[in-house]
Amino acid sequence: QQQVKQSPQSLIVQKGGISIINCAYENTAFDYFPWYQQFPGKGPALLIAIRPDVSEKKEGRFTISFNKSAKQFSLHIMDSQPGDSATYFCAAKETSGSRLTFGEGTQLTVNP
Amino acid sequence: DGGITQSPKYLFRKEGQNVTLSCEQNLNHDAMYWYRQDPGQGLRLIYYSQIVNDFQKGDIAEGYSVSREKKESFPLTVTSAQKNPTAFYLCASSILPQGIYGYTFGSGTRLTVV
Repeated sequence: QQQVKQSPQSLIVQKGGISIINCAYENTAFDYFPWYQQFPGKGPALLIAIRPDVSEKKEGRFTISFNKSAKQFSLHIMDSQPGDSATYFCAAKETSGSRLTFGEGTQLTVNP
Repeated sequence: DGGITQSPKYLFRKEGQNVTLSCEQNLNHDAMYWYRQDPGQGLRLIYYSQIVNDFQKGDIAEGYSVSREKKESFPLTVTSAQKNPTAFYLCASSILPQGIYGYTFGSGTRLTVV
């Protein structure tokens, strides 16, 4: 079974700080790496995604860094805000199909 | 508005009962998925379907069943064989190939065994 490992499990950041969440995968047969944001009682929503042919993608305050050789990718949230408090999931899609394998999730709390 | 509708939002099941969770999408997406969410375990794939009348088992299919008779609908039945069904269930859909658009998720159904 292909796996995606995510850390930390929980993260507390002060308003204006940088939140960093890391993921690592074991199988090279992934070709798409999205991040999802989930608020309590809601379904996850796509936040940002990257393909392995680029090392970084930035959308507003959110940046994905991708290290293909290390099989690692991370989400950076700049100028973190209390409204960013949510659970974040990394995921990876198999090259041969459409299913996503998700990490365990990180509960982010941004204190005012 | 296009989206995925899951119902009911909350569901209570007695021991030994089968229950069915509804998932409907009007996004004209080809593929649909069911995930189970437990605290600290992320999202685990139960079943998925890429075309009508066809579906594949995910990583934790035991005790669950699905059908895909219409493109818009992908109901999940939690059978009495599922020993620990209390969880948050999420339905999702996507185009094929998935491209950059990822999944669209519903708002989930919270199932509790009473």
